[in-house]
Amino acid sequence: EADIYQTPRYLVIGTGKKITLECSQTMGHDKMYWYQQDPGMELHLIHYSYGVNSTEKGDLSSESTVSRIRTEHFPLTLESARPSHTSQYLCASSGLDREPAYEQYFGPGTRLTVT
Amino acid sequence: RKEVEQDPGPFNVPEGATVAFNCTYSNSASQSFFWYRQDCRKEPKLLMSVYSSGNEDGRFTAQLNRASQYISLLIRDSKLSDSATYLCVVNIPDFSGGYNKLIFGAGTRLAVHP
Repeated sequence: EADIYQTPRYLVIGTGKKITLECSQTMGHDKMYWYQQDPGMELHLIHYSYGVNSTEKGDLSSESTVSRIRTEHFPLTLESARPSHTSQYLCASSGLDREPAYEQYFGPGTRLTVT
Repeated sequence: RKEVEQDPGPFNVPEGATVAFNCTYSNSASQSFFWYRQDCRKEPKLLMSVYSSGNEDGRFTAQLNRASQYISLLIRDSKLSDSATYLCVVNIPDFSGGYNKLIFGAGTRLAVHP
């Protein structure tokens, strides 16, 4: 069982608020990811990190930002939440890139609703 | 064209049935393939990796056809607990960044009924 945690699990917040979604893993994985998933739809990569002080934007444009100051921690921040940000946010991590294993392990997700 | 395509289903099958899901991918440089399972409103969980020679894990069998860029998952003797969405996942090498990213299909829904 993967050890990756996300808080909060559920968040309802008003428009314009700043929010930070927390993600942490205890597996020592160097790579971490944030995905966004709407109900019944596919996952979309919004951010990823190779390691400390490394962050990149994913395939889906997002107004969120991320930081990676510690290996185990990869928080996502929305400076000003809008209703269009309502979605589920899933954090994942993976270890070394060695053939054939690039498995990613997911946290339980944060379900965000912006009113 | 999507990089990973799956039949969205739903597949409605009785307990004990055998069901097969198919998936096609567009990037011929892909090297790693997976099936993930996602229960309603939960996170995806790795079901099995897919190896070139095909592999089996209990009631689940995965096959890979690189020439056709096609992956399959066979579930035998379906259980009620198999009801979920099955995600086909393919790695896309990013040679410029040295990073392999995973592309998730939209998933195939399976509903097993008594």
